[in-house]
Amino acid sequence: NAGVTQTPKFQVLKTGQSMTLQCAQDMNHEYMSWYRQDPGMGLRLIHYSVGAGITDQGEVPNGYNVSRSTTEDFPLRLLSAAPSQTSVYFCASSYSQTQPQHFGDGTRLSIL
Amino acid sequence: GENVEQHPSTLSVQEGDSAVIKCTYSDSASNYFPWYKQELGKRPQLIIDIRSNVGEKKDQRIAVTLNKTAKHFSLHITETQPEDSAVYFCAGSSGGSYIPTFGRGTSLIVHP
Repeated sequence: NAGVTQTPKFQVLKTGQSMTLQCAQDMNHEYMSWYRQDPGMGLRLIHYSVGAGITDQGEVPNGYNVSRSTTEDFPLRLLSAAPSQTSVYFCASSYSQTQPQHFGDGTRLSIL
Repeated sequence: GENVEQHPSTLSVQEGDSAVIKCTYSDSASNYFPWYKQELGKRPQLIIDIRSNVGEKKDQRIAVTLNKTAKHFSLHITETQPEDSAVYFCAGSSGGSYIPTFGRGTSLIVHP
């Protein structure tokens, strides 16, 4: 099993550009989530999903969209990139809310 | 919703000493408490977890204790080694919250 796969690993964008961060898992997990990690701020939840077709907002959802058309994939879209969205983004999945989360390797995103 | 506070934010110890990281939570319904270790530039990975029906759990040099009455849980690392240097995150989760809430992390530095 590959676990949780994130692409790309690094990305540089200009302000105003849009892009999609990809996340895929092969563990048949229903729960998936996106976090951003900034120095001193820990892991902040952006959006999450509890199954295909179901998504909800986390702590910091503004400027991001998600969709969950399949169990395996949970892409994160930046609609119009801003410098404040420069961060490391982690995708995670789990079997349930009371089971361990499995994280991807992260995407390091810089917005100029 | 759940609120998890973690202390200290930075912990510096000498090799061979013990390290203790403490977390408090607000939701008395929380019943699952994982701990994750994140080495520099890498993804968070589960190191140990505990459920509310257990007061203590050990795995070699690491242990976690849970006090449900006081709503706090702690990570204990004995005989610390330089490779224990990392950021450690606690989290709390209940059946009513879909995704665990993370503490802000503790940067553990073990000096040789």
